[in-house]
Amino acid sequence: DAGVTQSPTHLIKTRGQQVTLRCSPKSGHDTVSWYQQALGQGPQFIFQYYEEEERQRGNFPDRFSGHQFPNYSSELNVNALLLGDSALYLCASSAQLVELTDTQYFGPGTRLTVL
Amino acid sequence: DQQVKQNSPSLSVQEGRISILNCDYTNSMFDYFLWYKKYPAEGPTFLISISSIKDKNEDGRFTVFLNKSAKHLSLHIVPSQPGDSAVYFCAAPRVGTDKLIFGTGTRLQVFP
Repeated sequence: DAGVTQSPTHLIKTRGQQVTLRCSPKSGHDTVSWYQQALGQGPQFIFQYYEEEERQRGNFPDRFSGHQFPNYSSELNVNALLLGDSALYLCASSAQLVELTDTQYFGPGTRLTVL
Repeated sequence: DQQVKQNSPSLSVQEGRISILNCDYTNSMFDYFLWYKKYPAEGPTFLISISSIKDKNEDGRFTVFLNKSAKHLSLHIVPSQPGDSAVYFCAAPRVGTDKLIFGTGTRLQVFP
């Protein structure tokens, strides 16, 4: 049973460019959340997708957008990249939470470097 | 607004001894707390959780204690093993959502 997978593992972009990161959730999961982890910080919630719609959003600008496909996989898009967007981007999947105690499973992340 | 805080960035413990990792929070409305462990080049993995209606939860070598009056929780690892060396994050879901709010993490090193 494959867990959460993310691609690519590493990415280098320059300021002003656009980037797309991809995530495949754990088998049986239908909800995908994206987090940004800057160096020395804990992960920060970007947004969550369920039933192909953005359901929750953290304090991130509109440059950050996403999509969820019918097979539950998801993409994170960041436009007009800034140096401060350099971070580890984590995808987490879960089944539609019946209880808040249900666990989210994280992928290994995509390391984005903006030069 | 750092609602979940881990004030110790690192901790070094000898193998076999107890490791105690601390976490403070400011939002008294949090009703659930989780600990995640993260190895380099891997995503965080769930370790143990505690509901706000409890003051202790134990799972093998891992025990989490919750002191609601002090808005403080701690993770105890006994006995510590070299494989426990990782970054540990305390987290809580924002009330009414499953959006996790993480602390900044504590790097634990267990040496022989």
